[in-house]
Amino acid sequence: DIQMTQSPSFLSATVGDRVTINCKASQNINKYLNWYQQKLGEAPKRLIYNTNSLQTGIPSRFSGSGSGTDYTLTISSLQPEDVATYFCLQHNSGPWTFGGGTKLELK
Amino acid sequence: QVQLKESGPGLVQPSQTLSLTCTVSGFSLTSNSVHWVRQPPGKGLEWVGAIWSGGSTDYNSALKSRLSISRDTSKSQVFLKMNSLQTEDTAIYFCTRSGSQYWGQGVMVTVSS
Repeated sequence: DIQMTQSPSFLSATVGDRVTINCKASQNINKYLNWYQQKLGEAPKRLIYNTNSLQTGIPSRFSGSGSGTDYTLTISSLQPEDVATYFCLQHNSGPWTFGGGTKLELK
Repeated sequence: QVQLKESGPGLVQPSQTLSLTCTVSGFSLTSNSVHWVRQPPGKGLEWVGAIWSGGSTDYNSALKSRLSISRDTSKSQVFLKMNSLQTEDTAIYFCTRSGSQYWGQGVMVTVSS
């Protein structure tokens, strides 16, 4: 199975900061990488699919990039409503596998 | 619109069998796969398994010996059965459609005597 290593596991930032979250796959996942936001008590919400496609209705401050084994979610200007846990998911081959999550809080 | 909703018992005794149902609307099970994902309290997401549009299934290798996923296309329902439950199986169980854009709200399952 493909392993996904997500970093950092915890992030504290200020409103307006540029925030980056990383996921590293144990092998090439051919850009089949999605990003999710999950708030307490809710189901995950897909933000980005296939590395860099922005889900309809998601603010443009969210963006994704990467290739091969290394992928990044960027929030260009952190807003208070972005406080949440973020997960990556690879769906290239074999079973889906998720990153361990990044808990984002306001400083 | 696309909707998924999980249902099942909130409490299951250790060593017993868990039965969950995912009822879907707004799409066909014969054209889309449905996946089960679980999340232990305060922890990350784990893929449990899937049933594909053609009816074949795939399972998390760590759960495969205890797990069965099936469906009733006439009722737009997908079923998860997991036997020999342990406390480590305590989690929120979600179903999600292929593409993982649409998710149910999840059902909390507690394994406890």
